[in-house]
Amino acid sequence: DAKTTQPPSMDCAEGRAANLPCNHSTISGNEYVYWYRQIHSQGPQYIIHGLKNNETNEMASLIITEDRKSSTLILPHATLRDTAVYYCIVRASGANSKLTFGKGITLSVRP
Amino acid sequence: NAGVMQNPRHLVRRRGQEARLRCSPMKGHSHVYWYRQLPEEGLKFMVYLQKENIIDESGMPKERFSAEFPKEGPSILRIQQVVRGDSAAYFCASSLPQRPGNTIYFGEGSWLTVV
Repeated sequence: DAKTTQPPSMDCAEGRAANLPCNHSTISGNEYVYWYRQIHSQGPQYIIHGLKNNETNEMASLIITEDRKSSTLILPHATLRDTAVYYCIVRASGANSKLTFGKGITLSVRP
Repeated sequence: NAGVMQNPRHLVRRRGQEARLRCSPMKGHSHVYWYRQLPEEGLKFMVYLQKENIIDESGMPKERFSAEFPKEGPSILRIQQVVRGDSAAYFCASSLPQRPGNTIYFGEGSWLTVV
């Protein structure tokens, strides 16, 4: 699986949009971009994933650049409960493919 | 729908004892993954199993650790002769059979403490 690069941390104000960047410059054509988060002492929680089109669900939006070398996870209205480590993961679509976690980005939502 | 269920949530073992961690995947999921998270560290892949088959065990320690996913019943991660360094959170995840873009869902973890 291709590697991703994320800043170590960022913060945002409660109620504002949180934009979490991720670089994946060596991504291959059949590799998806996945986002998970881990709130302290809990299991990783799936957020969203995409291949090349932008995606939106009830939790977040995923914006993937046209060249697919980077993406942004958007939490439209961050709350204190969104404070967590967010992982951007590139995962091949073939058989036997697993998720490989990096260090992620720690998002701190401040009141 | 019930999510991925892990038990026990917390387990304390003395050095040299055995630890058995169980994972029941989401309904209909036939693929199970185990990850380990040491204190203040990231999630590390251990093993990937289908029913009755080990697909990828590249992350499993060579000794004392084993995993199975029988035809019936939960997946089991077994740690023999535990040592203090085995103290960690162990997360199980499950998915449907592999297809492009499918999703892997995680359980809430089992916290092993070796004293």
